[in-house]
Amino acid sequence: SQELEQSPQSLIVQEGKNLTINCTSSKTLYGLYWYKQKYGEGLIFLMMLQKGGEEKSHEKITAKLDEKKQQSSLHITASQPSHAGIYLCGADYTGNQFYFGTGTSLTVIP
Amino acid sequence: AAGVIQSPRHLIKEKRETATLKCYPIPRHDTVYWYQQGPGQDPQFLISFYEKMQSDKGSIPDRFSAQQFSDYHSELNMSSLELGDSALYFCASNPMGDRGLYEQYFGPGTRLTVT
Repeated sequence: SQELEQSPQSLIVQEGKNLTINCTSSKTLYGLYWYKQKYGEGLIFLMMLQKGGEEKSHEKITAKLDEKKQQSSLHITASQPSHAGIYLCGADYTGNQFYFGTGTSLTVIP
Repeated sequence: AAGVIQSPRHLIKEKRETATLKCYPIPRHDTVYWYQQGPGQDPQFLISFYEKMQSDKGSIPDRFSAQQFSDYHSELNMSSLELGDSALYFCASNPMGDRGLYEQYFGPGTRLTVT
């Protein structure tokens, strides 16, 4: 079974538009990570959330973790072609084991 | 700034051969994770090490083994390679300390092709 579900699976937006990617966990998590992966390349760490209700921002990307620590959203404001790639959420539950979400493929049309 | 180093970057092996992948974590990072990402698939957690001891195990086949050495670098040994082992293998490191959460840094990956 998949511990983490992401939605949507793929997203195509016009440059300048805002978008949101969701990550839902089947159980309460210890920590939630967001990553970006360019096609065929390595994973880039974006940000990490640990506390219920926590929100972090970096440049035009904002991530939130709900109070129950089972759902997170990643919001991109005024998207640019450089934002294109695959966005993965990752979760740390009880130890040093890690689960990744199903991924969201983002295409930004200039 | 120093990053996670993986070697080799590319590796081509034949079926039933063995392969060894290496990961050098960021200095002072004592935790290493290994992941396997098949073509078009999500990364899958294989195994992790903390302070040179295996700390958790994911979907790592019995044909694979790994260890972390005294200098904290880690090696993933893969034997009796199968076509399905063709994938991108990432390692990641972070400082663990008192079990706080830290940023997890990924290496560039080793692309293994089994023919």
